[in-house]
Amino acid sequence: AQSVTQPDIHITVSEGASLELRCNYSYGATPYLFWYVQSPGQGLQLLLKYFSGDTLVQGIKGFEAEFKRSQSSFNLRKPSVHWSDAAEYFCAVGAENGNQFYFGTGTSLTVIP
Amino acid sequence: KAGVTQTPRYLIKTRGQQVTLSCSPISGHRSVSWYQQTPGQGLQFLFEYFSETQRNKGNFPGRFSGRQFSNSRSEMNVSTLELGDSALYLCASSPRVGYGYTFGSGTRLTVV
Repeated sequence: AQSVTQPDIHITVSEGASLELRCNYSYGATPYLFWYVQSPGQGLQLLLKYFSGDTLVQGIKGFEAEFKRSQSSFNLRKPSVHWSDAAEYFCAVGAENGNQFYFGTGTSLTVIP
Repeated sequence: KAGVTQTPRYLIKTRGQQVTLSCSPISGHRSVSWYQQTPGQGLQFLFEYFSETQRNKGNFPGRFSGRQFSNSRSEMNVSTLELGDSALYLCASSPRVGYGYTFGSGTRLTVV
């Protein structure tokens, strides 16, 4: 069965520090992988997506993610965090025929000055 | 380009009532999905529509239903509301399969 695990419920980083949010997935075929961000009271905004090709994908707001098939992981990274990055981050996996996503439980990011 | 629009933003209903939520996708997007978000269960898939046809349905009781119109606008209906239906309901649209969804800001439903 398809599933997504985000092992870190909550992460706190200092502004300017680097960030890595972990995501592991379970999926039997070629996955479509996504990272979304959600600010309080808002919907989800797509940060980046991986369908195929280069395993390092660049997204908006300076985020990137690396697909590692051998580790079934799709970790999100940012070299220098800004206070405005504080939000909830969700990893999702979709089928190749793509009309249903499975979301992780999310990682809440706090940024301290 | 307008985003995904969900109405209303907030709703308070009483147990046993029914409710209809509306979603207008991005122009040109034909796939519309609905998700329920709660603190306990996270984001759970409700259903997905493409060209007025429901293609996939999540594991929710029959009280949850939806439809899509010829202009791609979608509605979801919940009948006989229960306290546990209190959640943020998110609609998302996509131009094609697997492309990635653009989400609306959601409808916050509170059942009292």
